[in-house]
Amino acid sequence: EIVLTQSPGTLSLSPGERATLSCRASQSVTSSYLAWYQQKPGQAPRLLIYGASNRATGIPERFSGSGSGTDFTLTISRLEPEDFAVYYCQQYAGSPRTFGQGTKVEIK
Amino acid sequence: EVQLVESGGGLVQPGGSLRLSCAASGFTFSGYWMHWVRQVPGKGLVWVSRISSDGSSTIYADAVKGRFIISRDNAKNTLHLQMSSLRAEDTAIYYCARVFGAGQFDSWGQGTLVTVSS
Repeated sequence: EIVLTQSPGTLSLSPGERATLSCRASQSVTSSYLAWYQQKPGQAPRLLIYGASNRATGIPERFSGSGSGTDFTLTISRLEPEDFAVYYCQQYAGSPRTFGQGTKVEIK
Repeated sequence: EVQLVESGGGLVQPGGSLRLSCAASGFTFSGYWMHWVRQVPGKGLVWVSRISSDGSSTIYADAVKGRFIISRDNAKNTLHLQMSSLRAEDTAIYYCARVFGAGQFDSWGQGTLVTVSS
């Protein structure tokens, strides 16, 4: 099983600042089959990034993903008020599918 | 518009059973693999089970293997999760999710809450 470890657990930032979220895998994620999801309170997760660096349909350009192998990053270039949420990474290279424990981006 | 709507959650006693459903619309349901993911309120996402587009292939998380059964009715555009021998630790919001492309979950339902308690 591929274990995903996200850091930091909580990120306290102000609107307009840059957010950098990390996701580290316990073994290499084949073909960069890594996704990022955003979840707001009371809502289902929403796909942001797939294939490590591809934005899903309708996702603003301020969201970008990078990385390969075991180290992946989600960057939000300039935080908007609606971006404060919990973010999860997920790998779909192996079975079982696994998620990171989440990073909460909160307003400072 | 793609829509996934879960139903069937509720309060059940330990050892009991429950059947969740996920009604799909806005896309050709029979062409997509589907998953169930659960989340204890306030906690992280945990993958539960997956079924192939024709229903011939299924896999489960170790925590539910032998107790849960995933199935689908492509004629009725519906995904199911039959849960039995329920335990307190199965208490969670259960989401159905559609697989797109290589395996990312591009659409999710709103979730249905299952509470296992006496």
